[in-house]
Amino acid sequence: EAQVTQNPRYLITVTGKKLTVTCSQNMNHEYMSWYRQDPGLGLRQIYYSMNVEVTDKGDVPEGYKVSRKEKRNFPLILESPSPNQTSLYFCASSPRAGWTDTQYFGPGTRLTVL
Amino acid sequence: EDQVTQSPEALRLQEGESSSLNCSYTVSGLRGLFWYRQDPGKGPEFLFTLYSAGEEKEKERLKATLTKKESFLHITAPKPEDSATYLCAAYGGSQGNLIFGKGTKLSVKP
Repeated sequence: EAQVTQNPRYLITVTGKKLTVTCSQNMNHEYMSWYRQDPGLGLRQIYYSMNVEVTDKGDVPEGYKVSRKEKRNFPLILESPSPNQTSLYFCASSPRAGWTDTQYFGPGTRLTVL
Repeated sequence: EDQVTQSPEALRLQEGESSSLNCSYTVSGLRGLFWYRQDPGKGPEFLFTLYSAGEEKEKERLKATLTKKESFLHITAPKPEDSATYLCAAYGGSQGNLIFGKGTKLSVKP
């Protein structure tokens, strides 16, 4: 089944404790992206990757890191999480970056930083 | 500034009561307008892409239309299972990325 998977689905952590949220897609997509979704603010892009070893900042990159060493994986790293990073996170992928391509979303990771 | 605005924020309908959701955009060089459906606690699910003014697409009880300034998602004779948040997103702008609206939460009562 073609899908985007994220792990963990739920995470409660404390301020300053490094964490990684994994994202994997099995569709051989070139483009991958991370979003956060907050009440009243909608979906905002954190980072995106056009292909392996190519990443770039989205609208709200502060406090986050990403890497793209393999085509299928795009982990999101929070080196020193803070309470304002409590949010619902979505990973998405599409065949290429471009207006013809639909983005397919993962199921989400709900992160709480205490 | 590139922007996507959806209205209303919330909409309550009776089963069978048709209505429309609005998505207005100010995005330079629009290359595509997307509609997604999002159920609580889940990721957005793709519905439609529209590329040019005048274009229409349909899927079951949903029809999406596009003008040069806005898009509408028309829901005909909705059912309770149509209850969800509907997201609009525009691709283009100065950054060349996907800009989302805040969504319209639709509730359909039996």
